[in-house]
Amino acid sequence: KAGVTQTPRYLIKTRGQQVTLSCSPISGHRSVSWYQQTPGQGLQFLFEYFSETQRNKGNFPGRFSGRQFSNSRSEMNVSTLELGDSALYLCASSLQLMNTEAFFGQGTRLTVV
Amino acid sequence: DQQVKQNSPSLSVQEGRISILNCDYTNSMFDYFLWYKKYPAEGPTFLISISSIKDKNEDGRFTVFLNKSAKHLSLHIVPSQPGDSAVYFCAASREGNKLVFGAGTILRVKS
Repeated sequence: KAGVTQTPRYLIKTRGQQVTLSCSPISGHRSVSWYQQTPGQGLQFLFEYFSETQRNKGNFPGRFSGRQFSNSRSEMNVSTLELGDSALYLCASSLQLMNTEAFFGQGTRLTVV
Repeated sequence: DQQVKQNSPSLSVQEGRISILNCDYTNSMFDYFLWYKKYPAEGPTFLISISSIKDKNEDGRFTVFLNKSAKHLSLHIVPSQPGDSAVYFCAASREGNKLVFGAGTILRVKS
């Protein structure tokens, strides 16, 4: 059974640009969550999607958005990139809403220059 | 507001000895707690969990203890092995809500 797949693995963008990250959950999983990991901050929750609807949202500015498709695949978009957005972005999937075991992808390392 | 805190950024332990990683939380509504392990360049992987109705859960070398009155949980690894060297994240949740993670503790097991 394939795990959670995130693409691309690495990305370099310039300040002011926008970026779209993709996440394919484990087959059959309906919940997808996104996290930002920076040194010393742990995993900061961005948002969670379940059945194409955003169910939970973290404390990030509106520049961060996401969506989920009918096949449970999810995309995350960051507009008007800032240097501080440089981080590892992790996607996690689970069968139901994200209150139990979640399976993580390898992440997308975003560098904003 | 850091609802889940891992106050030790790093821990160094000799191979074969016990590793104890600690985690404190502030939200008394949390009813499920998890530990994840993360190697560099990989996503976190689930290690062990515990429901708030229990105070201990064991899986091989890994045991998680929950002290609800102190809002504290700990992960014990016995015996520690060099392959256990990784970042360990504590996480908590309540029904229908997101997982809240701590900042992580870097464990180094020396051979």
